[in-house]
Amino acid sequence: ETGVTQTPRHLVMGMTNKKSLKCEQHLGHNAMYWYKQSAKKPLELMFVYNFKEQTENNSVPSRFSPECPNSSHLFLHLHTLQPEDSALYLCASSDYFSGRAGNEQYFGPGTRLTVT
Amino acid sequence: QKEVEQDPGPLSVPEGAIVSLNCTYSNSAFQYFMWYRQYSRKGPELLMYTYSSGNKEDGRFTAQVDKSSKYISLFIRDSQPSDSATYLCAMSEAGNQGGKLIFGQGTELSVKP
Repeated sequence: ETGVTQTPRHLVMGMTNKKSLKCEQHLGHNAMYWYKQSAKKPLELMFVYNFKEQTENNSVPSRFSPECPNSSHLFLHLHTLQPEDSALYLCASSDYFSGRAGNEQYFGPGTRLTVT
Repeated sequence: QKEVEQDPGPLSVPEGAIVSLNCTYSNSAFQYFMWYRQYSRKGPELLMYTYSSGNKEDGRFTAQVDKSSKYISLFIRDSQPSDSATYLCAMSEAGNQGGKLIFGQGTELSVKP
C-alpha cells in the first residue's frame, strides 16, 4: 500500500448505528487530519493530530469521536449520526518537520458516508 | 462573510484554452497560499504552493498572489482534458505547523476535446 488509504470507501448507516472509519498513512508522516466534504461547501477541518496528540477540534459534535493510536493510523468513530452528516470524509497526513509542514497535506480517497 | 470565496463553476473550456481560476479572502494574516486539485472519486492533491505575494510557475500552471487585494489566481495554459477536475484554493497563517488550512469551495473545471 502506498500513500494514504481509507476504509471503507462507502458506508450506509442508520441513525442509531455505530460504525468506524479507518485511515492509514504509509508516508512516515507525523500529523493526521479528518475533514468533512459536503456538496457545494468548502472542506471543513474536523480534527488534527500531531504526534498522536489531538491539537485541533473544530467544534465537532460529540457523535464524532476520533482516535489516533499511533502516527500511522487514525479512526473516526461514529454514533447516532444525523442525515445532515452524510458527506465525504477525507483523511490526510503531513510531515510536521518539512519546510511546508501542515500546508502540504496528502489526502486519502475518502469514505462516502450516507446516513439514513 | 466567508473567510475564502471561490466561484464553484462549473467552468467549461475547449482544449488548448487558457483557464483562470480565482479566490478572494478576508483574513489579512494568511501568508501561505495553495492550490489543490481533486479528481473525481479521489482526494485532493497539492498542485501549487506559494508564500506571500508574487508569481510562481510550474510547467503549464502559474499561481499569482496579490495580498494587497486579497486575491489569488491559478492560470492553466494549453489546457488538456486531463486537467478536468475540481480546483480548491487553500490558505493558512504563518507558522502553520498545526496544519489548519482554510479551503475555498472549489471550482469544477471541464476541458472539452
